[in-house]
Amino acid sequence: AQKVTQAQTEISVVEKEDVTLDCVYETRDTTYYLFWYKQPPSGELVFLIRRNSFDEQNEISGRYSWNFQKSTSSFNFTITASQVVDSAVYFCALRGSTLGRLYFGRGTQLTVWP
Amino acid sequence: DGGITQSPKYLFRKEGQNVTLSCEQNLNHDAMYWYRQDPGQGLRLIYYSQIVNDFQKGDIAEGYSVSREKKESFPLTVTSAQKNPTAFYLCASSTSTGASSYNEQFFGPGTRLTVL
Repeated sequence: AQKVTQAQTEISVVEKEDVTLDCVYETRDTTYYLFWYKQPPSGELVFLIRRNSFDEQNEISGRYSWNFQKSTSSFNFTITASQVVDSAVYFCALRGSTLGRLYFGRGTQLTVWP
Repeated sequence: DGGITQSPKYLFRKEGQNVTLSCEQNLNHDAMYWYRQDPGQGLRLIYYSQIVNDFQKGDIAEGYSVSREKKESFPLTVTSAQKNPTAFYLCASSTSTGASSYNEQFFGPGTRLTVL
C-alpha cells in the first residue's frame, strides 16, 4: 500500500522566516518516486520537484530546498526567507513502481504574513 | 504554448442533472487523470487513463464516467448518481514512458462545480 502523510494541516509564519513542510511516506516498493506540488489560490497545481528512491541527494533551488531521507521515509521541503507569494497549499505525492497513479498527502496550507 | 485546458472554470448545475467537464491537453501525453478536491481533503483520484480507449477506476469512481476516444481529450461526466458532486475538479496528464520513469503529472486550472 502507498500512503503519504502531511501532518501539518496549516502553518503561519511572518515574512522572512524559514519554514519546513513535513512529508512522510509509506511504500513497500523498492523503486518509487516522490513529488512536491504547490497550489496557489488560483487552484492549479504547480509541479516543484521530483525524486526517485535511488537519489537521496538533497536539492536547493533558490529559496527552496528538499531533504530526502530514506531512513526515516521523509521528503521534507524547506522555504528559506519566506515571502507572501509563497502562501499556498503544498502537496507531497508518491508513485510506486507500477505505472500510473499518484498518492497525495492531504496538503499543508502555508500562510506567510507581511 | 503546451498545456492542459479545462473548461469552464466555474459550473453551476441543478441537482439531478448530468454534467460533463472538459479536459484537453496538447502535451502529447499518453496518460490522463481526474481528481476531486474538497476542502481539507487533498486530492482523490476518480479515473485515469494510460492510453486511448482504456481507463481505470480510481478511489472514488462511483457516480462518475469518462471516455478516452482521443489522446488529447479526457472528459468527465458527473452523473445524477453522484451524491455530493459540489467540488473542485482537477485534470492532469503525464507521459507514460515506463514504470522506471518519473512520469510526473501536470495539472490543468481546474473546474469548480456547484450543484444547486
